[in-house]
Amino acid sequence: AQSVSQHNHHVILSEAASLELGCNYSYGGTVNLFWYVQYPGQHLQLLLKYFSGDPLVKGIKGFEAEFIKSKFSFNLRKPSVQWSDTAEYFCAVRENSGYSTLTFGKGTMLLVSP
Amino acid sequence: ETGVTQSPTHLIKTRGQQVTLRCSSQSGHNTVSWYQQALGQGPQFIFQYYREEENGRGNFPPRFSGLQFPNYSSELNVNALELDDSALYLCASSFTSGSYNEQFFGPGTRLTVL
Repeated sequence: AQSVSQHNHHVILSEAASLELGCNYSYGGTVNLFWYVQYPGQHLQLLLKYFSGDPLVKGIKGFEAEFIKSKFSFNLRKPSVQWSDTAEYFCAVRENSGYSTLTFGKGTMLLVSP
Repeated sequence: ETGVTQSPTHLIKTRGQQVTLRCSSQSGHNTVSWYQQALGQGPQFIFQYYREEENGRGNFPPRFSGLQFPNYSSELNVNALELDDSALYLCASSFTSGSYNEQFFGPGTRLTVL
């Protein structure tokens, strides 16, 4: 079974700082990769996803992620964070076969101070 | 907002009781997945329903059961509640058509077991 590891449980940044959240997964087959975000008091929503092709994917709100197959990694980045990026971020993986279940990491809580 | 609704928002039960949680999927979606999100953890897949049948199950005991109705809404039932069942229960709907389609999450039901 696959598993997902997120490196940091809590990250605190000042506005305009750059962000990189680590995500590693363990699964030997073909996977689809996702980053979800949960803003305070809101539902989980999709930031970006990787299925195939260009390993650098761009999502909403200026976020991007890079898939490095050799490292089983899918790190999330943003060049300059804003206070409104304060949220919990979840990396998720799905086997590229069968039904569409997602395996999530434990999440990283990002706090951006103004 | 995703169009996925869940009820109730919060629920308090005592150990040994039974609980039913409800999910109304987004219009046009035919698949519902349920996840359990314990405090400090990422969502964990419980099961998925497609066309009123269970289409996959995670590592949860049989006292977790579900239903999907002809209008694609769904219920999650948990019998013989245990303290560890306290969590946020998330419902996600999607449209299954052969290729993967994005799951849209509801706001969740917060269950507290005393």
